[in-house]
Amino acid sequence: GAGVSQSPRYKVAKRGQDVALRCDPISGHVSLFWYQQALGQGPEFLTYFQNEAQLDKSGLPSDRFFAERPEGSVSTLKIQRTQQEDSAVYLCASSLSIGGGFTEAFFGQGTRLTVV
Amino acid sequence: GNSVTQMEGPVTLSEEAFLTINCTYTATGYPSLFWYVQYPGEGLQLLLKATKADDKGSNKGFEATYRKETTSFHLEKGSVQVSDSAVYFCALSDRNNFNKFYFGSGTKLNVKP
Repeated sequence: GAGVSQSPRYKVAKRGQDVALRCDPISGHVSLFWYQQALGQGPEFLTYFQNEAQLDKSGLPSDRFFAERPEGSVSTLKIQRTQQEDSAVYLCASSLSIGGGFTEAFFGQGTRLTVV
Repeated sequence: GNSVTQMEGPVTLSEEAFLTINCTYTATGYPSLFWYVQYPGEGLQLLLKATKADDKGSNKGFEATYRKETTSFHLEKGSVQVSDSAVYFCALSDRNNFNKFYFGSGTKLNVKP
């Protein structure tokens, strides 16, 4: 596709349920980012991939959060045993270059996760 | 640590009015500064940036100047349009890690015809 695609757009999960959020970056983009945006707040960094390598995962809030990008293209953010505080919009972005990093990134529309 | 504070919204203006959205920051090092915009139903987009003190970023009639002495990066536009209605985020990145950004909480701008 022409842009970054995230699926599903909306997800309602019962507390304790596991969820998987998918990001299809722009083809050929080396860098991929995940950010979490709580209601009324700015995005917060979760993790960064360069191709299949997860170079920075310092923003993952707990060991219930796990991200992967096994073939250097599609990425999945998995949240185990979801809690209400996990309710947020999860943003994915990708960029062609390494050096330019986040400033040259294109964003998806996000997945809105609601934990009930 | 690193953090960004921006004025709360919503900000409601009439078309052709002057816009200022305040942004101040705290940084451990010497950051780069950014404004992002999120139009309704769309993803975040980079609006402008400045990488060193006294630099002025500009794009689409918007401007912001990197003020190290006041740790500020206020966004301005001389004459807003209805199409500028969006949420605006101020952000910074550490020079040692361009991949990790710190965002403010966002300011919603409503421009009325």
